[in-house]
Amino acid sequence: NAGVTQTPKFQVLKTGQSMTLQCAQDMNHNSMYWYRQDPGMGLRLIYYSASEGTTDKGEVPNGYNVSRLNKREFSLRLESAAPSQTSVYFCASSERQGPLGNTIYFGEGSWLTVV
Amino acid sequence: DAKTTQPNSMESNEEEPVHLPCNHSTISGTDYIHWYRQLPSQGPEYVIHGLTSNVNNRMASLAIAEDRKSSTLILHRATLRDAAVYYCILMGTGNQFYFGTGTSLTVIP
Repeated sequence: NAGVTQTPKFQVLKTGQSMTLQCAQDMNHNSMYWYRQDPGMGLRLIYYSASEGTTDKGEVPNGYNVSRLNKREFSLRLESAAPSQTSVYFCASSERQGPLGNTIYFGEGSWLTVV
Repeated sequence: DAKTTQPNSMESNEEEPVHLPCNHSTISGTDYIHWYRQLPSQGPEYVIHGLTSNVNNRMASLAIAEDRKSSTLILHRATLRDAAVYYCILMGTGNQFYFGTGTSLTVIP
């Protein structure tokens, strides 16, 4: 199994450009997530989708939009990139949300630099 | 959501046991304690989780205090491949669980 796949792995953007990070999972998971990780920092939740057709803001949603295209795919869009959005982005998925031992599976990350 | 507190860094000699502590004094009764680790330039990976009882798996053991306000991840014999950042997080009814900055484990050959 591929697990969680993210594209692109590396991207350089100019300030003001837009781009979409793609994420797909092949584990038939209901919930999907987008995190960002800045140097020396932990992961911060940007947006999540508890199930197909729903999306909710996380800790740091400003400057981002998301689309849960279907059960497999969850994309993250930067409409007008800013240098503060330079970060490593991780997509993740889990079978369900809730307290019942919810294991999260992460992608390998997308390194984004905004100049 | 409840937060966790971990030391910023720890060191261990190779092939010795490692005890990674985590404090979570505001844990609620329905929060599960999860541990993940992140190897350099990779996404985090699941290590172990538990609710009240101590847990063992092929990677590690999880010791949970009786009052559940702290827990300890135990790596029985540290290897160089265990050098990573270890995150202790609480998972409850919501999806906004916090990873924090974790503990950076250095394994000394």
